[in-house]
Amino acid sequence: GAVVSQHPSWVICKSGTSVKIECRSLDFQATTMFWYRQFPKQSLMLMATSNEGSKATYEQGVEKDKFLINHASLTLSTLTVTSAHPEDSSFYICSVRRLGRYEQYFGPGTRLTVT
Amino acid sequence: EDQVTQSPEALRLQEGESSSLNCSYTVSGLRGLFWYRQDPGKGPEFLFTLYSAGEEKEKERLKATLTKKESFLHITAPKPEDSATYLCAVQEDNYGQNFVFGPGTRLSVLP
Repeated sequence: GAVVSQHPSWVICKSGTSVKIECRSLDFQATTMFWYRQFPKQSLMLMATSNEGSKATYEQGVEKDKFLINHASLTLSTLTVTSAHPEDSSFYICSVRRLGRYEQYFGPGTRLTVT
Repeated sequence: EDQVTQSPEALRLQEGESSSLNCSYTVSGLRGLFWYRQDPGKGPEFLFTLYSAGEEKEKERLKATLTKKESFLHITAPKPEDSATYLCAVQEDNYGQNFVFGPGTRLSVLP
């Protein structure tokens, strides 16, 4: 397996503010990290793929200027939700993939509530 | 378009009552099929990877099998702590690194 941490585990912010979520791979260097969001009683939806040292690849319909992803090192990726609105309230989960393997290991998730 | 479906949507079992969960997929070429367990308010926990038809993997009370069109997660003599949502995901050849997740099966095991 692999240990992945996320910080914070939950956050409440006011509409119009920005929030940064950190994802750390604790067991190995992750050249690729993924960001998902999950609405209540729904499955995971991929938002973007984050590659260390290069720009993230966003899925169709995900606003790259709103969801800023920075994969600054082989163990850290950050997701910044800019100018958050109540509809951005969701469960955000990151995952990491070991080089040469296909399975992804997920973090514990971050619950974002925008008021 | 890739599609991953899971059935049933929800399943209630008595402790010790064995059953199976289904994951059906339509992809042009399967690179891998993955099973995860997710508890409420937590990230998914990796269970198994299956790569080719006929492959089987086991872990405690869980056994995953794969055919060309579907995968089954067999749960033998489940316990209440097996209650969770079980997700399957597929990765297609020539589709980069991305997973496509199914909607999940919510399993409740009653004591």
